Amino acid sequence: SQKIEQNSEALNIQEGKTATLTCNYTNYSPAYLQWYRQDPGRGPVFLLLIRENEKEKRKERLKVTFDTTLKQSLFHITASQPADSATYLCALLWYTGRRALTFGSGTRLQVQP
Amino acid sequence: DAGVTQSPTHLIKTRGQHVTLRCSPISGHKSVSWYQQVLGQGPQFIFQYYEKEERGRGNFPDRFSARQFPNYSSELNVNALLLGDSALYLCASSSGTGEYEQYFGPGTRLTVT
Repeated sequence: SQKIEQNSEALNIQEGKTATLTCNYTNYSPAYLQWYRQDPGRGPVFLLLIRENEKEKRKERLKVTFDTTLKQSLFHITASQPADSATYLCALLWYTGRRALTFGSGTRLQVQP
Repeated sequence: DAGVTQSPTHLIKTRGQHVTLRCSPISGHKSVSWYQQVLGQGPQFIFQYYEKEERGRGNFPDRFSARQFPNYSSELNVNALLLGDSALYLCASSSGTGEYEQYFGPGTRLTVT
C-alpha cells in the first residue's frame, strides 16, 4: 500500500528565514499532490496543488516542488513569520485503487520572533 | 459566503451508542468527503459522495455509513461506538471529484467514554 512520510518532529526556525518541509511517498507517483495548513482544533486549509507533470508551483511566499524520481515534494515558506506557525499536511491522490486523498501525518512548524 | 458547516461541534457518547454527524457544503459544491483525524495524525479518508452517490470508501468497518441529500448536505453515521472512534471528524466539500481543492469544515470532536 502507498505510504506517505512527513517529518514528525517539529521544525523550529527564526522569523525571516525559509522553512522547508518534506513529504516522501512510496511506490508509484500520485496524480497530484496538495499541501494544507492546519491550526489546532480547526480543519485543514488548502494551500497549493501540484500535478505529476509539474516540477514547481509558487503562490506568494509559498513554493512547492515535486520530484517523481526522488518520490518527494518540498514545501517552502520564504520570509517566514510567527503567523506561519501551524501544522502542514501533504495529501496525495493516486488514480488507481481507491482514488481517495491520502494525508500524511503532518509537520508542525514553529516560527520564533 | 458561508464555508463548510458541521454540527454538532462537540459530542460525548458512551460505548455502544450511535451517533449522527452533519455537514453542509459550500453553496454550489456537489462533492462531500468525510475524514477521521486522531490526535497527532493526518485526516484519514472515510467516504466521498458526489451527486448523492458514493464515490469512494476508506478502510473503515461497516459500522460507519453516510449519505448525501438532494441539497448536497451529508450525514455520517457511526453505530456501536468504540473507544477508538474518539476523534475529530472532518467534512470537506469540493466542486467535483479528482483534482479539486477541498474546503474543510471546523470538524466535530467526538469523545466516546
